[in-house]
Parts: sequence; C-alpha cells; structure tokens
Amino acid sequence: EAEVAQSPRYKITEKSQAVAFWCDPISGHATLYWYRQILGQGPELLVQFQDESVVDDSQLPKDRFSAERLKGVDSTLKIQPAELGDSAMYLCASSNGQFANYGYTFGSGTRLTVV
Amino acid sequence: QKEVEQDPGPLSVPEGAIVSLNCTYSNSAFQYFMWYRQYSRKGPELLMYTYSSGNKEDGRFTAQVDKSSKYISLFIRDSQPSDSATYLCATPGLIAGNKLTFGGGTRVLVKP
Repeated sequence: EAEVAQSPRYKITEKSQAVAFWCDPISGHATLYWYRQILGQGPELLVQFQDESVVDDSQLPKDRFSAERLKGVDSTLKIQPAELGDSAMYLCASSNGQFANYGYTFGSGTRLTVV
Repeated sequence: QKEVEQDPGPLSVPEGAIVSLNCTYSNSAFQYFMWYRQYSRKGPELLMYTYSSGNKEDGRFTAQVDKSSKYISLFIRDSQPSDSATYLCATPGLIAGNKLTFGGGTRVLVKP
C-alpha cells in the first residue's frame, strides 16, 4: 500500500535553532498538505500545495516558518528560529485532488520537541 | 465557531461494548465528512468517509450523518483493546476538494 514518507520521526532542538522536516507524498498525488498537531488537539493546516504552487498558507507563521515543493513532488518545511511553542507533531498528507472529498493519506509525522 | 467540534473524552468502555462517538458541525451545507483513527505517536489513518446524510457501514464501524441536527456519529461494535486510540472527525467544509478541518479528537480506551 502506498505511503506518505516523512523524516525524521523525532527531532529535539534547542530554542532559536533551525529545524527542517521532509515529506515525500504518494506518487502521483498533486496536492500536499502540512499540518501541525499540538498534543491533545486536532491537526491544523499550515500550508497546502497544488503541484509546486502554494494554495493556502494563511495559517503559516511566515516570520519563522517556510515551506517549499520545488519540483512538485517532495516537500520541506523549515522553522527558523524554533520557539518552545513549536513543540508539536508535524504531519504531511497528500491527495489526488478529485478524491480529496473522500479523505487523504497522512504520513507518520515528525514529533518536534524544542528545549 | 469551529467547523467541527468533538468532546475530548476520554471515553472508557469494557471490551465488547459499543463505542459511540459524536461530532457537531457548524454549517448544514457541509456534505462530506471523514473519521480518522490516530494511535499514540502515529499519523491519523482514514477509517471512513460519508456523503450527505444517512448511514455507512464497514465491518464493525458505522458512520452516521444527521443533517437536521448537524451531527455526525461513529459507532464501533464489539470493541477491542486495539480500538483504543483517538478518533478525529473532519470535513472539507463548503468547497469540494478543500483542505480538511479537524475536530479536536476523542480519546477512547477499551479495557480488556
């Protein structure tokens, strides 16, 4: 079964350091999403890509977060500088656009701890 | 008002019992709804999706939409300890193929 690959699985970083997460969506999926999930809460969208273009980044804290999907395939999410409040699970998901109404597939996530 | 909301639980049931989970949603025009299961330290896994109103069944799982009261439900029959997880409801809202908005999740514990 096709999977969304994410790395690393866990990351511990010090406050004010830079950190990056990588995601490889299911092959052929044009739409890629980055979500953040704080412990005990539901996932919240940070950024949505359609191919290499950003469709929605309204909830992305752009002063410290950036995301790219240069060739419309894999994607990187970066935080610089990291803050204590950024500790969360960062989830990547992908979908075949026309089937997005039927749900999309998540990766296993990257659990970030900022100390 | 959030698009979907759920009781955070935890909901504790004995093995074999029926688990009943609910979400409320904000706009009666929403048509698509999903239920995801999330084990600790894992990504959410799609369980079921429903369209419009009525019931949908898949094995031990039944999803139900009540448009008149803007309520969606997930029932798990013959619950097993392996069903212990957080259950998230989600909707793309009004726009077909839109981003999913999630409820806060309900934690379920099935005791042997």
